Amino acid sequence: QSALTQPPSASGSPGQSVTISCTGTSSDVGGYNYVSWYQQQPGKAPKLMIYEVTKRPSGVPDRFSGSKSGNTASLTVSGLQAEDEADYYCSSYAVNNNLVFGGGTKLTVL
Amino acid sequence: QLQLQESGPRLVKPSETLSLTCTVSGGSINSIIYSWGWIRQPPGKGLEWIATIFYSGSSYYNPSLKSRVTISVDTSKNQFSLQLSSLTAADAAVYYCARRSTAAYFDYWGQGALVTVSS
Repeated sequence: QSALTQPPSASGSPGQSVTISCTGTSSDVGGYNYVSWYQQQPGKAPKLMIYEVTKRPSGVPDRFSGSKSGNTASLTVSGLQAEDEADYYCSSYAVNNNLVFGGGTKLTVL
Repeated sequence: QLQLQESGPRLVKPSETLSLTCTVSGGSINSIIYSWGWIRQPPGKGLEWIATIFYSGSSYYNPSLKSRVTISVDTSKNQFSLQLSSLTAADAAVYYCARRSTAAYFDYWGQGALVTVSS
């Protein structure tokens, strides 16, 4: 299985919106609505931000939203704040009970 | 509040076997809704799923690591464990244990255990 494809970096100014893409195949992202997104601050464990493509866990600001079209999922962060600066990883269920992560995107708040 | 904590040696020699244990507190590992997994992250790199296990013992492995990995569960101790054999420098990473939902997301994570592979 191959890692999902994410852009290495993304950036935006405070208050702006930024979208991070996550591209897979019909065997993972495109085949199941089991895409999740994680935020990882330096030296910390990943934190779940989005699950099942669009759902937000309790406590995650509604500035974070997820979507999917075909084999590509996306995470949008609206109203960027300095605290959103972190690495973001997508993940998807894959055929035969596998799970695959994206390579990660470093989000910089300018 | 559910908590997970990794334990085990942090320095392992090349060609040897890594053994890590994850202790779950604040909840039971006996769940038909959740499974339990290991994920690793080499320094400066991305996340890689290693394996998942249910309390019943049913398990799934990353195909790229399957030949070297064993995951097990001890419900009496509320723990699950990872063994990774034939270690090389490429296996040096932070190893996380986490709870996985049926929808394939990890909602609770341990703090991570940094494992170094060196003689």
